[in-house]
Amino acid sequence: GEDVEQSLFLSVREGDSSVINCTYTDSSSTYLYWYKQEPGAGLQLLTYIFSNMDMKQDQRLTVLLNKKDKHLSLRIADTQTGDSAIYFCAESFSGTYKYIFGTGTRLKVLA
Amino acid sequence: DTGVSQNPRHKITKRGQNVTFRCDPISEHNRLYWYRQTLGQGPEFLTYFQNEAQLEKSRLLSDRFSAERPKGSFSTLEIQRTEQGDSAMYLCASSWTGMDEQYFGPGTRLTVT
Repeated sequence: GEDVEQSLFLSVREGDSSVINCTYTDSSSTYLYWYKQEPGAGLQLLTYIFSNMDMKQDQRLTVLLNKKDKHLSLRIADTQTGDSAIYFCAESFSGTYKYIFGTGTRLKVLA
Repeated sequence: DTGVSQNPRHKITKRGQNVTFRCDPISEHNRLYWYRQTLGQGPEFLTYFQNEAQLEKSRLLSDRFSAERPKGSFSTLEIQRTEQGDSAMYLCASSWTGMDEQYFGPGTRLTVT
């Protein structure tokens, strides 16, 4: 079945790196995504990775995918107070266009 | 590119009333999606359109819910006989054939009293 789990909360100091983790159960995913949601707002697409890749880097963001362990992570370098938000990972699958989202990780950046 | 827009942004209604939400996708996007997000949870898929055809519906979409996309552009989501359990953020997203990324609107927050 489809199940995507994330830790609920992460707190880091400004300037440190943040690592947000996601585990999933269905290994047939085609793409995996990271979205950011600020209070009262919709979801902003941050980055995504094709399921046959191991790593993708995009400026301050690094995505790591371990297919064997069904583990996805998002590393944010030099975390800023503006990065405080809820981060969702999501999977897509061949044959359907729906995404399966994780429960979200609330990132709090302390000044 | 003005992004996905949704109206209204907030809706408060009494239990038993009908409500309708509108989504305007990014203009060149032919695919449109509706999701529901309850407090403290990730979005859950409701339904998907390709042009005007509704191609996939979740079991979450009970018979009180109906979605349309009559001309393949904007979409409406109607909830009849609202219940308190319908209180949630309703999110719309759009994408274009050949790209997998979905772009989300700001959502409509529904409160049923």
